[in-house]
Amino acid sequence: DTAVSQTPKYLVTQMGNDKSIKCEQNLGHDTMYWYKQDSKKFLKIMFSYNNKELIINETVPNRFSPKSPDKAHLNLHINSLELGDSAVYFCASSQDRGYYGYTFGSGTRLTVV
Amino acid sequence: QQQVKQSPQSLIVQKGGISIINCAYENTAFDYFPWYQQFPGKGPALLIAIRPDVSEKKEGRFTISFNKSAKQFSLHIMDSQPGDSATYFCAASINSKLTFGKGITLSVRP
Repeated sequence: DTAVSQTPKYLVTQMGNDKSIKCEQNLGHDTMYWYKQDSKKFLKIMFSYNNKELIINETVPNRFSPKSPDKAHLNLHINSLELGDSAVYFCASSQDRGYYGYTFGSGTRLTVV
Repeated sequence: QQQVKQSPQSLIVQKGGISIINCAYENTAFDYFPWYQQFPGKGPALLIAIRPDVSEKKEGRFTISFNKSAKQFSLHIMDSQPGDSATYFCAASINSKLTFGKGITLSVRP
């Protein structure tokens, strides 16, 4: 029944490692997003895909690479993790490019040690 | 450059009182203005939203007031309840990109 599901919920890893976060939505939405929420709760968009096409690519280090195999899935791969990557990463989805609201997942808390 | 600014930074209200959170934006091209509510350990959830051709929208205890000329909008929570204690984000959207304010923490005391 979960509308937007992310895995894993928690991720603790060492600096320099490569990790992936997966996201799936069962709402039939055509657009998916990755947002980063820092320790001060500030939410910043990273990427957006519409029907598997990248439409938003903010100023994010190229160590971050999104992949959308189909419009229901959007994964985030992070290479060479750094301490500053520690944050909560939220996946979201929307229909019609967001004019009826975004549905967010429950987040993945990434801790780099 | 912060395009969406919220105030106050935190708010404490007594149960039954009115909570008012303000938001100001800079880009006049924004065309959709939602408010999101976030509880600890959860993702933000859409609370209420407004388009710039409307000055006010009410849903239950929640009301958005929109002032296009001042580039400001606000969220009013009537009869505030302890269950409303959460972080509230205003946001503004253009071309599918939702830009959030920094969020404010609302505490409703019993």
